[in-house]
Amino acid sequence: GQQVMQIPQYQHVQEGEDFTTYCNSSTTLSNIQWYKQRPGGHPVFLIQLVKSGEVKKQKRLTFQFGEAKKNSSLHITATQTTDVGTYFCAVPGYSSASKIIFGSGTRLSIRP
Amino acid sequence: NAGVMQNPRHLVRRRGQEARLRCSPMKGHSHVYWYRQLPEEGLKFMVYLQKENIIDESGMPKERFSAEFPKEGPSILRIQQVVRGDSAAYFCASSPLDRATNWETQYFGPGTRLLVL
Repeated sequence: GQQVMQIPQYQHVQEGEDFTTYCNSSTTLSNIQWYKQRPGGHPVFLIQLVKSGEVKKQKRLTFQFGEAKKNSSLHITATQTTDVGTYFCAVPGYSSASKIIFGSGTRLSIRP
Repeated sequence: NAGVMQNPRHLVRRRGQEARLRCSPMKGHSHVYWYRQLPEEGLKFMVYLQKENIIDESGMPKERFSAEFPKEGPSILRIQQVVRGDSAAYFCASSPLDRATNWETQYFGPGTRLLVL
C-alpha cells in the first residue's frame, strides 16, 4: 500500500541552528503540501509544490520537490523559538485523490 | 472572514455514550474533511464530504462512526457507544475547489478534544 515516511521523527536544535525534515513517498506524486502544527494547536497550511524539482521560499523556510516527484524537504534557516511545532507533509491518496495522506510528522523543539 | 469552526472544543463522555462533533466550514467552502489525531501521532484521514454527499469514507471505522454534511447547517461527526480508544483530537478541514491544480488546500479548524472516561 501507499506509504509516506517522514524523517526524523524528532529534532532538537539550538536556536539559530538550521533544521531539515524529509518526506518520502513510495509512489510518484502529483503534488505535495506542507503543514505546521504548534503544540496544542491545529495544522496550518504552509505551501503546495507541484512541479518536478520545484523550490519555493517563504522567508527562512525553503521547500523542495524532488526531480522524481517522490520526495520533498523543508529546510528552516536560523531557527527561532516561534518555529517550534510539528511539520507534516501531505500527499494525495494513490487510490483516491480525494483522500489525503499525512506523513507522521517531524517534531521540532528549540533550546533558547 | 471567519475560519473553520468546530464545537465543542473539548468533550468528555463516559463509555457507551454518544459523541457529536460539529464543524462549520469557511464561508464559500463546500468540501469538508474529518481527521483523527491520537496523542503524539499524525493525522489519519476519516471521511471526505460535500454538501449532502459522502465522497470518500474509506478511513472511517465501519461501526459506530458516521458523518454527514447536510444542505443547511454544519457537518456532524457522530460516534456511538464511545470506547476509551476513541479518545483523540478530531479535526475538521474545509477547502475550496482548486481548479488549477485539481487538488484542494485545506483549512483546519481548532479541533475537538474527545476524552472517554
